[in-house]
Amino acid sequence: GENVEQHPSTLSVQEGDSAVIKCTYSDSASNYFPWYKQELGKRPQLIIDIRSNVGEKKDQRIAVTLNKTAKHFSLHITETQPEDSAVYFCAASNRNTGNQFYFGTGTSLTVIP
Amino acid sequence: DGGITQSPKYLFRKEGQNVTLSCEQNLNHDAMYWYRQDPGQGLRLIYYSQIVNDFQKGDIAEGYSVSREKKESFPLTVTSAQKNPTAFYLCASSITGTSGSGEQFFGPGTRLTVL
Repeated sequence: GENVEQHPSTLSVQEGDSAVIKCTYSDSASNYFPWYKQELGKRPQLIIDIRSNVGEKKDQRIAVTLNKTAKHFSLHITETQPEDSAVYFCAASNRNTGNQFYFGTGTSLTVIP
Repeated sequence: DGGITQSPKYLFRKEGQNVTLSCEQNLNHDAMYWYRQDPGQGLRLIYYSQIVNDFQKGDIAEGYSVSREKKESFPLTVTSAQKNPTAFYLCASSITGTSGSGEQFFGPGTRLTVL
């Protein structure tokens, strides 16, 4: 089955700096890669996603890049703000065979004011 | 008001008891999922269902059971066979197929504690 690894497990940045979280996956058939943000005690919420036919996607301060050859994808947050502090999870799925997500173990991001 | 709900928010169970966690959605989604979340770990898939009256085991199905008698509902039973049931349980739903968004929408979760 699919195996998703995520790094780093914790990340601290100064407000205004950029944050980068990286994930690798093992199954070359995976074709959908969402990123979720989870605040303490809350439900995970989708912040950005990318399909395998696209190399990069941006939404304001958030971007995701995908390298299918190397089987890795990354989340980039620019101009970080204290409200960006949360746990971020990457996931991979194969939408051709159902939509089961395989999650990374999460990155706890702290933005220091 | 569309969404996915879970109840109860907190649940306490004595060892040896079975408990059932509720998950309901009115998003008209065909697929529903149950995940377990432990501190420092990602979300691990327990069971999923892509259509009514059908479901499949995920990575950690032992000690759990589900049913999918209605499209809107996907209850999870934590049985006494589950050795370490204390965790945060999340239910999710999504559309099926390859068109449209692949997003899974999550419920607010149930925190289960075994006393």
